[in-house]
Amino acid sequence: KAGVTQTPRYLIKTRGQQVTLSCSPISGHRSVSWYQQTPGQGLQFLFEYFSETQRNKGNFPGRFSGRQFSNSRSEMNVSTLELGDSALYLCASSLVWGPFEGYTFGSGTRLTVV
Amino acid sequence: DAKTTQPPSMDCAEGRAANLPCNHSTISGNEYVYWYRQIHSQGPQYIIHGLKNNETNEMASLIITEDRKSSTLILPHATLRDTAVYYCIVEGGSEKLVFGKGTKLTVNP
Repeated sequence: KAGVTQTPRYLIKTRGQQVTLSCSPISGHRSVSWYQQTPGQGLQFLFEYFSETQRNKGNFPGRFSGRQFSNSRSEMNVSTLELGDSALYLCASSLVWGPFEGYTFGSGTRLTVV
Repeated sequence: DAKTTQPPSMDCAEGRAANLPCNHSTISGNEYVYWYRQIHSQGPQYIIHGLKNNETNEMASLIITEDRKSSTLILPHATLRDTAVYYCIVEGGSEKLVFGKGTKLTVNP
């Protein structure tokens, strides 16, 4: 079966711009989580959506936002980009809310802010 | 903050068992132990999870001590493709997964 699909794979943006990343979960999965990975901070939780509702949110500024659509696809948006936002952004999907059944991660979107 | 402690790195010979330890002394009764691994430049991959009993699947075995304060992930016959960072995570039912720094396992030929 198809895995978690993240688009685009690579992105270069300029400081001050905004960016939207997309995640298509495994068919039938209703929960989508987003993580940011940097060499300094490691993997950090951004937010989790289930049935179009945000269920959990990490400690990130309001410039980071997300949403989930009725087909479970999710997008995350980062406004007013800063150099420190350069990171690998990972999306994970699961069948139910919470990590019980194991998250399936996508390959990520590598964002570079210049 | 992560609730687990793992050695930063380990080495293992190809074909031998890799035993990766994890301490989680503050684990509470309803928290599970999860293991994920991340091969360079890829998203983390779920391996296994357990609550109290030992668990085994096609990838690995998870041994949890009786007091649940520590656990060991066992890869029975490590291959070069098992070289990765392995994360031990303790989390309750509806909470997010908090990743620590993990253990970098290097499998040597």
